[in-house]
Amino acid sequence: GENVEQHPSTLSVQEGDSAVIKCTYSDSASNYFPWYKQELGKRPQLIIDIRSNVGEKKDQRIAVTLNKTAKHFSLHITETQPEDSAVYFCAASIAGMINSYDKVIFGPGTSLSVIP
Amino acid sequence: NAGVMQNPRHLVRRRGQEARLRCSPVKGHSHVYWYRQLPEEGLKFMVYLQKENIIDESGMPKERFSAEFPKEGPSILRIQQVVRGDSAAYFCASSLDRRVGTEAFFGQGTRLTVV
Repeated sequence: GENVEQHPSTLSVQEGDSAVIKCTYSDSASNYFPWYKQELGKRPQLIIDIRSNVGEKKDQRIAVTLNKTAKHFSLHITETQPEDSAVYFCAASIAGMINSYDKVIFGPGTSLSVIP
Repeated sequence: NAGVMQNPRHLVRRRGQEARLRCSPVKGHSHVYWYRQLPEEGLKFMVYLQKENIIDESGMPKERFSAEFPKEGPSILRIQQVVRGDSAAYFCASSLDRRVGTEAFFGQGTRLTVV
């Protein structure tokens, strides 16, 4: 089955700097990679996702890159702000009719602290 | 995204008691997923249900844990004879479509503390 690793487990950056979180996956068939943000005491929320037919996707200050050959993908946050402080989870799965959301495997999370 | 409602938000149980966690999915969603989150760990899948059916319970412990999603009413995750190791945050999520790539919306979780 799929296994997702995530690094670092904790990350502190100064406000305005960039933050990068890296994930690796084991199943080469995986083609759907969502990222969730969970603020302290709140629910996980989808912030961006990428599919294997693209190598990079951007949404304002957030970007995700995917390297299928190396089986790793990364989240990049530029111009970080204190409200970016949260736990970020990567995940991997195989999209398509045969697969349902229970097959989405989450990484262990990265706790990001943005220092004002 | 405020549609997935979980209650209670916090639950304290003594060892040996039963814990019942409720999840009302987004209106119109018929797919419900339960996850457990231990301190400083990720989300671990437990069970996937559709109305009146358990589709995948591969993440559920074999004993003491059960889940249901009746035709009417919320989904229930039941933990019998709780032990300290059951202390965790339990999240449910719902989706409109079963396919991966369709967003699953999470509830705010129930934080279970076993004393």
